Amino acid sequence: NAGVTQTPKFQVLKTGQSMTLQCAQDMNHNSMYWYRQDPGMGLRLIYYSASEGTTDKGEVPNGYNVSRLNKREFSLRLESAAPSQTSVYFCASSARSQGTGELFFGEGSRLTVL
Amino acid sequence: AQSVTQPDIHITVSEGASLELRCNYSYGATPYLFWYVQSPGQGLQLLLKYFSGDTLVQGIKGFEAEFKRSQSSFNLRKPSVHWSDAAEYFCAVGGMRFGAGTRLTVKP
Repeated sequence: NAGVTQTPKFQVLKTGQSMTLQCAQDMNHNSMYWYRQDPGMGLRLIYYSASEGTTDKGEVPNGYNVSRLNKREFSLRLESAAPSQTSVYFCASSARSQGTGELFFGEGSRLTVL
Repeated sequence: AQSVTQPDIHITVSEGASLELRCNYSYGATPYLFWYVQSPGQGLQLLLKYFSGDTLVQGIKGFEAEFKRSQSSFNLRKPSVHWSDAAEYFCAVGGMRFGAGTRLTVKP
């Protein structure tokens, strides 16, 4: 059982380039989330999707867009990458919405923007 | 506004010693509370959660946590730490807002 799968695991971009992080879950969960993890700051919520067809901003949405393609997939797009977006990105899913259920995490995607 | 504070950035304990990791929160109502653990290079794994009822909750790997409404705290404890417990620990409130984390080092 794969759980939450993120691709790619590592990526190096130049400032101004765009890219999409892909996330898929096979647990039939309704809610999906994107976080970024930076040293000393824990995990900060970028965007979340409570159900298929809906997305909402989290704490740090600027510079990102998301797409809930279907119930399984939730992608995160950087349209014009900046060095401040260097981080480790985690996708998570949950059977329950609004933070009331356990989050299941992917292994993370390490992004470096030069 | 919701907030989570983990006052200790880094804690070092000897193997076999007891452990307590602190978590304080600010929330409008009784929150859903979680503790997660992250091993190096890995995603996060749930240790335990509190929704309601008994304020002392048991989790995996021998961890427990106590919800204290009067202190707005949800501290994580373990009676005897093992070397494999070395990791980073995150408290989460409302399921979506995380603290900055506490890194645990275990001395032999």
